Amino acid sequence: DTAVSQTPKYLVTQMGNDKSIKCEQNLGHDTMYWYKQDSKKFLKIMFSYNNKELIINETVPNRFSPKSPDKAHLNLHINSLELGDSAVYFCASSRRRRTGDGDTQYFGPGTRLTVL
Amino acid sequence: GENVEQHPSTLSVQEGDSAVIKCTYSDSASNYFPWYKQELGKGPQLIIDIRSNVGEKKDQRIAVTLNKTAKHFSLHITETQPEDSAVYFCAAPGDSSASKIIFGSGTRLSIRP
Repeated sequence: DTAVSQTPKYLVTQMGNDKSIKCEQNLGHDTMYWYKQDSKKFLKIMFSYNNKELIINETVPNRFSPKSPDKAHLNLHINSLELGDSAVYFCASSRRRRTGDGDTQYFGPGTRLTVL
Repeated sequence: GENVEQHPSTLSVQEGDSAVIKCTYSDSASNYFPWYKQELGKGPQLIIDIRSNVGEKKDQRIAVTLNKTAKHFSLHITETQPEDSAVYFCAAPGDSSASKIIFGSGTRLSIRP
């Protein structure tokens, strides 16, 4: 019973390509997130959706576009991939949107993106 | 916005000894401080959290202490075991709406047999 799942687990692609990462949660949570973790393990939030509504959009290049078809899914599409996009991308979910007030975040296993 | 600093970046302790990881935060209005553990190849997982109305919280071998005056909080792991080896992240609310948390830079803890 995987709570938060991501596909694919590994993604290797060439510069300039477009790719998508999919995320699904079966916890019934209202809020989902995308994080980027670089090679130094820094974990930085990119986007957050609450009931399909975008609530957090950090300073991320507009080549990154999240899409939430329903509250159980949050996908990440990346256009014109660059070398600096290589990282591990984590999806997470929380029951409500107040993660800074006690709503635990549940993370997926991550997608390791390598841009050649 | 909130700024969270964490140290040390790496920590190696003998099995059975204690480990302490420290974090400082900048926003005096912050009132919730979680700690996440990330094992190799996995996503982070909440292990303990503390609210600003208490100074200490324990859960078996792990404890968290909070000093609101000094704006710092610490994770204490006693009687360390091999399975404690992981990267640990502290966090604090990212803004007044509490819609996000800001993570510290992480501490890689290694337990020596």
